[in-house]
Amino acid sequence: NAGVMQNPRHLVRRRGQEARLRCSPMKGHSHVYWYRQLPEEGLKFMVYLQKENIIDESGMPKERFSAEFPKEGPSILRIQQVVRGDSAAYFCASSPSISGGNNEQFFGPGTRLTVL
Amino acid sequence: DQQVKQNSPSLSVQEGRISILNCDYTNSMFDYFLWYKKYPAEGPTFLISISSIKDKNEDGRFTVFLNKSAKHLSLHIVPSQPGDSAVYFCAANPGTASKLTFGTGTRLQVTL
Repeated sequence: NAGVMQNPRHLVRRRGQEARLRCSPMKGHSHVYWYRQLPEEGLKFMVYLQKENIIDESGMPKERFSAEFPKEGPSILRIQQVVRGDSAAYFCASSPSISGGNNEQFFGPGTRLTVL
Repeated sequence: DQQVKQNSPSLSVQEGRISILNCDYTNSMFDYFLWYKKYPAEGPTFLISISSIKDKNEDGRFTVFLNKSAKHLSLHIVPSQPGDSAVYFCAANPGTASKLTFGTGTRLQVTL
């Protein structure tokens, strides 16, 4: 049973370029969350998606950032016109449900974005 | 506004001894609390969780204690092993929402 998959694991972009981060949730999971970890900090929530719907984007910067989780294929976190402050580790997590259970989220290995 | 706080950035414990990691929170709406372990260059791995209706949950060497009145929880690892050396994150969420709010982490080093 494959875990949460993220690619690429490392991504280098120059200022002004676009970054696309992909996340495939665990099999059977329909809820995807994106978190960002800046150096020496904890993980900060960005966005929560279900298939074809954004449920909560309260942690997402209003400009340059967007996320989608299409009916087919992985979830994509897109950062346009990247700046040096976007350099961070971006983690994707998935869960089967938000009701009942223990609210546990399973994390992928992360994508480390470096903006030159 | 740091709603989940881990005030000890690092902790060093001898192998075989007990490790105690602490976490405080401010949001009374938090209903579920989780501990994650993270190795460098990897994603967080779920360790153990506790619901607000309980004050203790145990799983093998790991026990989490919750003191709701003090808005404080702790993770006990006993006996500590060198493989436990990692960064430990406390996280919480309200019962009706799914986003996790994380603390800043405590780096545990278990020495021989």
